[in-house]
Amino acid sequence: ETGVTQTPRHLVMGMTNKKSLKCEQHLGHNAMYWYKQSAKKPLELMFVYSLEERVENNSVPSRFSPECPNSSHLFLHLHTLQPEDSALYLCASSQRLGLEQFFGPGTRLTVL
Amino acid sequence: AQSVTQLDSQVPVFEEAPVELRCNYSSSVSVYLFWYVQYPNQGLQLLLKYLSGSTLVKGINGFEAEFNKSQTSFHLRKPSVHISDTAEYFCAVSDSGGGADGLTFGKGTHLIIQP
Repeated sequence: ETGVTQTPRHLVMGMTNKKSLKCEQHLGHNAMYWYKQSAKKPLELMFVYSLEERVENNSVPSRFSPECPNSSHLFLHLHTLQPEDSALYLCASSQRLGLEQFFGPGTRLTVL
Repeated sequence: AQSVTQLDSQVPVFEEAPVELRCNYSSSVSVYLFWYVQYPNQGLQLLLKYLSGSTLVKGINGFEAEFNKSQTSFHLRKPSVHISDTAEYFCAVSDSGGGADGLTFGKGTHLIIQP
């Protein structure tokens, strides 16, 4: 596989569930990102990892927990989400901070 | 920190007509600039980028953009659009020094191609 992949593509969960989103990049990049894209809102940067260290956390609620075990993988662990968390969650990677980012297809999350 | 303004939320254009999507940015540091396209139910795809050098940059699918530092603009143009260009277009800016903010995106412009 090439580029940035995300699984699952679609996820429906209840407010009491725990689930994880997975992102994998096959580009040899050193930085990875999570974004949230809601209807009628601009893309929101959630987390930034550079060389597996978290460098940015934009006041994201603690019910979202990122994990970057190595430079190729990024996870977003979800627990006790709210209906307003329903959105498209996009993962991206770049060679280094500031350069162009390559995006995965996203996970469409619905919280019931 | 940087900010991006895409003044037009929606631009309707007839097929084979030219189009310009406007983007203005604000930053206190030197920047890189990008345009992305997003088709329904997909991630963002890079159209083109300005890092340095020539202010006119050419991208995929016949798109081009011109960096204007004095006007802090990076407008996207295509001389003749096709139905397949219907999509959401995002302008983005980053700190060329590699700041931890990643890319800052505009709110997007929905390009609607009318037959």
